[in-house]
Amino acid sequence: AQSVTQPDIHITVSEGASLELRCNYSYGATPYLFWYVQSPGQGLQLLLKYFSGDTLVQGIKGFEAEFKRSQSSFNLRKPSVHWSDAAEYFCAVGAFTGGGNKLTFGTGTQLKVEL
Amino acid sequence: NAGVTQTPKFQVLKTGQSMTLQCAQDMNHEYMSWYRQDPGMGLRLIHYSVGAGITDQGEVPNGYNVSRSTTEDFPLRLLSAAPSQTSVYFCASRPGHSGNTIYFGEGSWLTVV
Repeated sequence: AQSVTQPDIHITVSEGASLELRCNYSYGATPYLFWYVQSPGQGLQLLLKYFSGDTLVQGIKGFEAEFKRSQSSFNLRKPSVHWSDAAEYFCAVGAFTGGGNKLTFGTGTQLKVEL
Repeated sequence: NAGVTQTPKFQVLKTGQSMTLQCAQDMNHEYMSWYRQDPGMGLRLIHYSVGAGITDQGEVPNGYNVSRSTTEDFPLRLLSAAPSQTSVYFCASRPGHSGNTIYFGEGSWLTVV
């Protein structure tokens, strides 16, 4: 069975600083990987996804993530954080063989941005 | 574009009451699913469906029933609500072939007292 680990429960960065949110996954085959963001009281918004090809994936809002198979990681990065980036971030791995939406989520990383 | 629509957005139930969370999508997606989100637990899969008439259990199915009589709708039923079912529920859908984006509804906040 697949699993996702987000080792950082909370992260605080200053506005304008760079950001890296860690994500490690466990999955037996080539994974489908996702990063979602959730603002308080809101639903999930897809930031980016990796299915195959280029291991550096660009997403919305200036985010990018790099898939590293050797490290089983899919870390999310942003070169300069904005105060509006404060939210909770979820990494997920998708197991779509056999159908369904079998996304397994990490427990999330809460990002706080200091002005 | 409606996308994935969930109703109600907020609900308070008494222990033992039953209710149905509605989910509808207008994108003709084959696959639909329900997740629950709890603090420190991330999102966990409750039930999913790969098409009309076909459903299967996810990670945490106990206490929930689903059915899929049409492609558009995938309701989640709580037959006898328990405080442990206090959570935020998300419905999701995606097209039939793998690798496509999953679309989430905006969530339903359920409190069982």
